[in-house]
Amino acid sequence: AQRVTQPEKLLSVFKGAPVELKCNYSYSGSPELFWYVQYSRQRLQLLLRHISRESIKGFTADLNKGETSFHLKKPFAQEEDSAMYYCALKNAGGTSYGKLTFGQGTILTVHP
Amino acid sequence: ETGVTQSPTHLIKTRGQQVTLRCSSQSGHNTVSWYQQALGQGPQFIFQYYREEENGRGNFPPRFSGLQFPNYSSELNVNALELDDSALYLCASRERDSRVFTDTQYFGPGTRLTVL
Repeated sequence: AQRVTQPEKLLSVFKGAPVELKCNYSYSGSPELFWYVQYSRQRLQLLLRHISRESIKGFTADLNKGETSFHLKKPFAQEEDSAMYYCALKNAGGTSYGKLTFGQGTILTVHP
Repeated sequence: ETGVTQSPTHLIKTRGQQVTLRCSSQSGHNTVSWYQQALGQGPQFIFQYYREEENGRGNFPPRFSGLQFPNYSSELNVNALELDDSALYLCASRERDSRVFTDTQYFGPGTRLTVL
């Protein structure tokens, strides 16, 4: 069974500090991982996906298959980064292709 | 291009009742998924529909059912409501059969269901 674990429910940092949101996964196949973000009063939206290897809003995430991790990082946090962040794993085969399994989410608060 | 819309935004029902939630997919999208998000939890996959047929289901009982219409709008029906069904229900649409880089799920704002 596929599983996503985000060990921190809450994370607080000060503006300009580095931030790392942790995500670990369990999946028998080749994983496809995402980070979704939900800002206050907005809908859930895609932040980035590992397969595109891009940096969005200064965030990056590297897939580490050995450690089964996909941590989200930003070197200098901004106040506007305060939001709920979800790590998600996509079912890439068989029935329920495209199904996303989400972690429980991490609330990031960036203080001024 | 319009985004994913859901109706109603809020709903209050009593235990044992039935409810229908609606979703209008983003233009051009042929696959819709439904998720349940309980308070303090991440979204949980209920099922998805592709070309009007159920195409994958999560660990939800049969009293959760759905429909997808030719215009790709969708409904989630829940019978015999229980207190634990209180949650935010999200639908997400995507364009299947596209290259993986565009296979992005777009979420609606959700319907908040309260069961008393």
